[in-house]
Amino acid sequence: DARVTQTPRHKVTEMGQEVTMRCQPILGHNTVFWYRQTMMQGLELLAYFRNRAPLDDSGMPKDRFSAEMPDATLATLKIQPSEPRDSAVYFCASGSPGTLSGANVLTFGAGSRLTVL
Amino acid sequence: AQSVAQPEDQVNVAEGNPLTVKCTYSVSGNPYLFWYVQYPNRGLQFLLKYITGDNLVKGSYGFEAEFNKSQTSFHLKKPSALVSDSALYFCAVRDILTGGGNKLTFGTGTQLKVEL
Repeated sequence: DARVTQTPRHKVTEMGQEVTMRCQPILGHNTVFWYRQTMMQGLELLAYFRNRAPLDDSGMPKDRFSAEMPDATLATLKIQPSEPRDSAVYFCASGSPGTLSGANVLTFGAGSRLTVL
Repeated sequence: AQSVAQPEDQVNVAEGNPLTVKCTYSVSGNPYLFWYVQYPNRGLQFLLKYITGDNLVKGSYGFEAEFNKSQTSFHLKKPSALVSDSALYFCAVRDILTGGGNKLTFGTGTQLKVEL
């Protein structure tokens, strides 16, 4: 089965350090999403790409977070500097193109669990 | 703006009994509606979706959901629950009218616990 691959699966770091999370979307999928999951806030959309172009990053704290797609096989989410409140599970998801692309199912990765001390 | 409400944080059901997980939505136009399931330490997995057509949608693992436009609801159901169905269930919506930028808005999730 095709899958979305996320690395690292777990990351523990100290406040102020830079954190980079990576995602390999499913080959052929042209949309990539970054979500953050916490107990308090549930699932929050951070950023969204279509054909590698950022379409919406309104959910992302701009001062410390950045998201990029250097190529079609890699999406990155960077936090610099990290803070304890960034502790969460970060999910990447990809979706396929199509005439009803809004109806297409997203495939999620297993997530990157970040702990900032 | 599009939004989803899952009014129950947790649903407890005895194995073999029917289960219902509730979801209501709000969109400007017509919705695309989805149910996803999350098992511990895993990503979300797709269960089923409503796009158009028959209001009763069947999905994976014996789950089904009924789209009710007048009540703006999309409740998830299963006739006979299994212990293995215990997981976190998310309802999600996209607004067709605005496209939502293909953004999927998720509910807060409902923890389903099926007991023997």
